[in-house]
Amino acid sequence: EPEVTQTPSHQVTQMGQEVILRCVPISNHLYFYWYRQILGQKVEFLVSFYNNEISEKSEIFDDQFSVERPDGSNFTLKIRSTKLEDSAMYFCASVGNNEQFFGPGTRLTVL
Amino acid sequence: GQSLEQPSEVTAVEGAIVQINCTYQTSGFYGLSWYQQHDGGAPTFLSYNGLDGLEETGRFSSFLSRSDSYGYLLLQELQMKDSASYFCAVRGNQGGKLIFGQGTELSVKP
Repeated sequence: EPEVTQTPSHQVTQMGQEVILRCVPISNHLYFYWYRQILGQKVEFLVSFYNNEISEKSEIFDDQFSVERPDGSNFTLKIRSTKLEDSAMYFCASVGNNEQFFGPGTRLTVL
Repeated sequence: GQSLEQPSEVTAVEGAIVQINCTYQTSGFYGLSWYQQHDGGAPTFLSYNGLDGLEETGRFSSFLSRSDSYGYLLLQELQMKDSASYFCAVRGNQGGKLIFGQGTELSVKP
Protein backbone atom coordinates (compact mmCIF):
# COMPACT_ATOMS: atom_id res chain seq x y z
CA GLU A 1 0.00 0.00 0.00
CA PRO A 2 1.44 3.41 -0.94
CA GLU A 3 2.34 5.70 1.94
CA VAL A 4 3.71 9.14 2.68
CA THR A 5 7.31 9.06 3.86
CA GLN A 6 9.27 11.69 5.77
CA THR A 7 12.93 12.19 6.59
CA PRO A 8 14.56 12.57 8.98
CA SER A 9 12.50 11.01 11.74
CA HIS A 10 14.23 13.22 14.29
CA GLN A 11 16.15 16.44 13.79
CA VAL A 12 18.04 18.29 16.51
CA THR A 13 19.27 21.77 15.73
CA GLN A 14 20.58 24.90 17.39
CA MET A 15 18.41 28.00 17.60
CA GLY A 16 18.97 30.21 14.57
CA GLN A 17 19.96 27.38 12.28
CA GLU A 18 18.15 26.44 9.09
CA VAL A 19 16.42 23.07 8.79
CA ILE A 20 14.85 21.30 5.84
CA LEU A 21 12.26 18.64 6.44
CA ARG A 22 11.60 16.27 3.59
CA CYS A 23 8.50 14.43 2.47
CA VAL A 24 7.62 12.10 -0.37
CA PRO A 25 3.83 12.23 -0.88
CA ILE A 26 1.88 9.42 -2.48
CA SER A 27 2.71 9.51 -6.17
CA ASN A 28 -0.66 10.23 -7.78
CA HIS A 29 -1.80 12.77 -5.20
CA LEU A 30 -2.04 16.42 -6.16
CA TYR A 31 -2.64 18.30 -2.88
CA PHE A 32 0.08 18.40 -0.24
CA TYR A 33 0.13 19.79 3.26
CA TRP A 34 2.35 20.47 6.22
CA TYR A 35 1.01 20.36 9.77
CA ARG A 36 2.72 20.62 13.10
CA GLN A 37 1.91 19.29 16.54
CA ILE A 38 3.51 20.72 19.64
CA LEU A 39 3.85 18.06 22.34
CA GLY A 40 0.52 17.39 24.01
CA GLN A 41 -1.41 19.75 21.76
CA LYS A 42 -3.60 19.45 18.69
CA VAL A 43 -2.44 19.15 15.12
CA GLU A 44 -2.21 22.58 13.46
CA PHE A 45 -2.37 23.38 9.76
CA LEU A 46 0.65 25.19 8.34
CA VAL A 47 0.36 25.26 4.57
CA SER A 48 -1.28 23.62 1.57
CA PHE A 49 0.35 23.23 -1.83
CA TYR A 50 -1.23 22.55 -5.20
CA ASN A 51 -0.05 22.86 -8.77
CA ASN A 52 3.42 23.91 -7.66
CA GLU A 53 2.31 26.81 -5.53
CA ILE A 54 1.03 27.58 -2.07
CA SER A 55 -2.77 27.52 -2.06
CA GLU A 56 -3.22 28.51 1.57
CA LYS A 57 -1.10 29.20 4.64
CA SER A 58 -1.86 29.75 8.28
CA GLU A 59 -0.67 32.64 10.43
CA ILE A 60 1.95 30.28 11.87
CA PHE A 61 3.54 30.04 8.42
CA ASP A 62 5.45 33.31 8.51
CA ASP A 63 8.44 34.50 6.47
CA GLN A 64 10.72 32.02 8.24
CA PHE A 65 8.91 29.14 6.56
CA SER A 66 8.95 28.09 2.93
CA VAL A 67 7.89 25.04 0.95
CA GLU A 68 9.15 23.64 -2.28
CA ARG A 69 8.54 20.78 -4.62
CA PRO A 70 12.00 20.58 -6.20
CA ASP A 71 11.22 17.57 -8.37
CA GLY A 72 8.35 15.23 -9.15
CA SER A 73 8.46 13.39 -5.86
CA ASN A 74 9.86 15.45 -2.98
CA PHE A 75 8.03 18.12 -0.98
CA THR A 76 10.10 20.09 1.50
CA LEU A 77 9.50 22.44 4.40
CA LYS A 78 12.31 24.86 5.23
CA ILE A 79 12.60 26.87 8.42
CA ARG A 80 15.25 29.55 7.86
CA SER A 81 16.13 30.53 11.40
CA THR A 82 14.72 28.14 13.96
CA LYS A 83 13.33 29.31 17.29
CA LEU A 84 12.81 27.33 20.46
CA GLU A 85 9.06 27.41 19.89
CA ASP A 86 9.48 25.64 16.55
CA SER A 87 10.13 22.42 18.48
CA ALA A 88 7.30 20.10 17.45
CA MET A 89 6.34 17.12 15.33
CA TYR A 90 5.96 18.12 11.71
CA PHE A 91 3.63 16.02 9.58
CA CYS A 92 3.37 15.99 5.83
CA ALA A 93 0.12 14.84 4.23
CA SER A 94 -1.35 14.28 0.79
CA VAL A 95 -4.92 13.76 -0.34
CA GLY A 96 -6.62 10.98 -2.26
CA ASN A 97 -10.25 9.82 -2.28
CA ASN A 98 -11.40 12.30 0.37
CA GLU A 99 -8.79 10.92 2.73
CA GLN A 100 -5.77 12.81 3.92
CA PHE A 101 -2.81 10.47 4.40
CA PHE A 102 -0.23 11.55 6.94
CA GLY A 103 3.44 10.68 7.02
CA PRO A 104 5.14 9.39 10.17
CA GLY A 105 6.39 12.86 11.07
CA THR A 106 9.70 14.52 11.84
CA ARG A 107 10.35 15.40 15.45
CA LEU A 108 12.18 18.74 15.43
CA THR A 109 14.02 19.71 18.59
CA VAL A 110 15.48 23.22 18.75
CA LEU A 111 18.08 23.77 21.48
CA GLY B 1 -13.05 32.06 14.81
CA GLN B 2 -12.73 28.36 14.24
CA SER B 3 -13.25 25.89 17.03
CA LEU B 4 -13.94 22.22 17.54
CA GLU B 5 -14.99 20.86 20.91
CA GLN B 6 -14.53 17.29 22.02
CA PRO B 7 -14.10 15.70 25.45
CA SER B 8 -10.50 15.63 26.66
CA GLU B 9 -10.63 12.05 27.88
CA VAL B 10 -12.87 9.00 27.98
CA THR B 11 -12.41 5.71 29.79
CA ALA B 12 -14.15 2.45 28.91
CA VAL B 13 -13.70 -1.29 29.38
CA GLU B 14 -12.82 -3.92 26.83
CA GLY B 15 -15.80 -5.07 24.80
CA ALA B 16 -17.81 -1.93 25.53
CA ILE B 17 -19.10 0.75 23.17
CA VAL B 18 -17.93 4.34 23.41
CA GLN B 19 -19.09 7.50 21.66
CA ILE B 20 -16.85 10.53 21.21
CA ASN B 21 -18.73 13.70 20.38
CA CYS B 22 -17.52 16.68 18.41
CA THR B 23 -19.15 20.05 17.89
CA TYR B 24 -17.67 22.54 15.52
CA GLN B 25 -17.83 26.17 14.60
CA THR B 26 -15.87 26.98 11.46
CA SER B 27 -16.05 29.53 8.70
CA GLY B 28 -16.07 26.82 6.02
CA PHE B 29 -17.28 23.23 6.11
CA TYR B 30 -16.55 20.52 3.60
CA GLY B 31 -16.91 17.50 5.81
CA LEU B 32 -15.88 16.00 9.13
CA SER B 33 -13.08 13.47 9.49
CA TRP B 34 -11.88 11.37 12.38
CA TYR B 35 -8.29 10.39 13.05
CA GLN B 36 -6.61 8.08 15.51
CA GLN B 37 -3.19 8.85 16.93
CA HIS B 38 -1.02 6.59 19.08
CA ASP B 39 1.60 8.29 21.27
CA GLY B 40 2.53 11.12 18.91
CA GLY B 41 2.67 8.91 15.85
CA ALA B 42 1.07 9.78 12.55
CA PRO B 43 -2.66 10.59 12.62
CA THR B 44 -4.40 7.66 10.94
CA PHE B 45 -7.59 8.24 9.00
CA LEU B 46 -10.65 6.48 10.41
CA SER B 47 -13.73 7.97 8.80
CA TYR B 48 -15.15 10.85 6.79
CA ASN B 49 -18.67 12.31 6.65
CA GLY B 50 -19.42 14.76 3.86
CA LEU B 51 -23.18 14.45 4.19
CA ASP B 52 -25.55 13.95 7.12
CA GLY B 53 -25.94 10.46 8.44
CA LEU B 54 -24.01 7.45 9.55
CA GLU B 55 -20.89 5.95 7.97
CA GLU B 56 -19.84 2.49 9.12
CA THR B 57 -16.41 0.94 8.74
CA GLY B 58 -16.02 -2.25 10.69
CA ARG B 59 -16.06 -1.57 14.43
CA PHE B 60 -16.00 2.19 13.84
CA SER B 61 -18.95 4.35 12.80
CA SER B 62 -19.20 8.10 12.41
CA PHE B 63 -22.23 10.35 12.31
CA LEU B 64 -22.76 13.89 11.10
CA SER B 65 -25.56 16.42 11.52
CA ARG B 66 -24.65 19.58 9.65
CA SER B 67 -27.69 21.47 10.94
CA ASP B 68 -26.46 20.86 14.51
CA SER B 69 -22.75 21.31 13.66
CA TYR B 70 -22.25 18.02 15.43
CA GLY B 71 -20.74 14.66 14.81
CA TYR B 72 -19.61 11.65 16.72
CA LEU B 73 -17.35 8.65 16.43
CA LEU B 74 -18.69 5.35 17.74
CA LEU B 75 -16.28 2.59 18.63
CA GLN B 76 -17.74 -0.86 19.27
CA GLU B 77 -16.29 -4.01 20.78
CA LEU B 78 -13.47 -2.02 22.31
CA GLN B 79 -10.04 -3.59 22.38
CA MET B 80 -6.97 -2.62 24.40
CA LYS B 81 -5.26 -1.50 21.19
CA ASP B 82 -7.98 1.15 20.74
CA SER B 83 -6.37 3.14 23.57
CA ALA B 84 -5.20 6.25 21.72
CA SER B 85 -6.09 9.86 21.03
CA TYR B 86 -8.98 10.52 18.67
CA PHE B 87 -9.29 13.78 16.78
CA CYS B 88 -12.20 15.20 14.89
CA ALA B 89 -11.18 17.47 12.04
CA VAL B 90 -13.20 19.74 9.81
CA ARG B 91 -12.23 20.06 6.19
CA GLY B 92 -12.24 23.82 6.05
CA ASN B 93 -12.29 24.44 2.32
CA GLN B 94 -12.16 22.73 -1.06
CA GLY B 95 -8.40 22.70 -0.82
CA GLY B 96 -8.76 20.19 1.98
CA LYS B 97 -7.12 22.06 4.88
CA LEU B 98 -7.98 20.20 8.08
CA ILE B 99 -8.87 22.03 11.28
CA PHE B 100 -8.34 19.69 14.21
CA GLY B 101 -10.00 19.47 17.60
CA GLN B 102 -7.91 19.13 20.74
CA GLY B 103 -8.30 15.39 20.77
CA THR B 104 -9.93 12.86 23.09
CA GLU B 105 -7.70 10.46 24.92
CA LEU B 106 -9.42 7.08 25.10
CA SER B 107 -8.27 4.62 27.74
CA VAL B 108 -9.52 1.08 27.41
CA LYS B 109 -9.32 -0.94 30.64
CA PRO B 110 -9.42 -4.73 30.99
